[in-house]
Amino acid sequence: QVQLVESGGGVVQPGGSLRLSCEAAGFIFSDYGMHWVRQAPGEGLEWVTFIRYDGTFEDYTDSVKGRFTISRDNSKNTLSLQMDGLRAEDTAVYFCAKDLEWKSDGFSFDSWGQGTLVTVSS
Amino acid sequence: DVQMTQSPSSLSASVGDRVTITCRASQGIKNYLTWVQQKAGKAPKSLIYTASTLHSGVPSRFSGSGSGTDFTLTISSLQPEDFATYYCQQYNTYPPTFGAGTKVEIK
Repeated sequence: QVQLVESGGGVVQPGGSLRLSCEAAGFIFSDYGMHWVRQAPGEGLEWVTFIRYDGTFEDYTDSVKGRFTISRDNSKNTLSLQMDGLRAEDTAVYFCAKDLEWKSDGFSFDSWGQGTLVTVSS
Repeated sequence: DVQMTQSPSSLSASVGDRVTITCRASQGIKNYLTWVQQKAGKAPKSLIYTASTLHSGVPSRFSGSGSGTDFTLTISSLQPEDFATYYCQQYNTYPPTFGAGTKVEIK
């Protein structure tokens, strides 16, 4: 049974930094791409970033390029998101999500974590 | 980016009703479409991928259809646990994009 547990959310001032983590269990972490998807308060879902199963490729939505960095440690089954230069519009619940397809850049999701709230406010 | 338009944005229905939600893509996406359910304050749950394939453990009252630009999610007999918001998402064209959601409420 797939388990994804996020942590690291909190309140941060505009321009500040935060690092989110996602601990994975119940599947071979190193065989699947991973994503971060966010949801602003009262809004819908927005894909943020993806990292390939082996960490050799990553991609970002335009609004976070140059500010957010996704990474993974396959030896520790952990996904991370370093968020720098945070803005008010980054306020959201951040979910980590497992890609559907084995060793593929599929951009669809089959399992989600419970989310961690990031609030950017002065 | 591919725009995903869902309708209706909300609906009221009773237990046992048949419910249909539509999703239209701004350009053809073959069958690279998923449906996601989200209950209030909870994590999303993936229901369907490739437009019509149910994820493991999803009840058979859920079904999906469509190809190209027009898709539907049908719940054949609405159950109390199905009251939630449903999102479609395309993954044919980068970046992956979601619809705005359809909230299914109790009548």
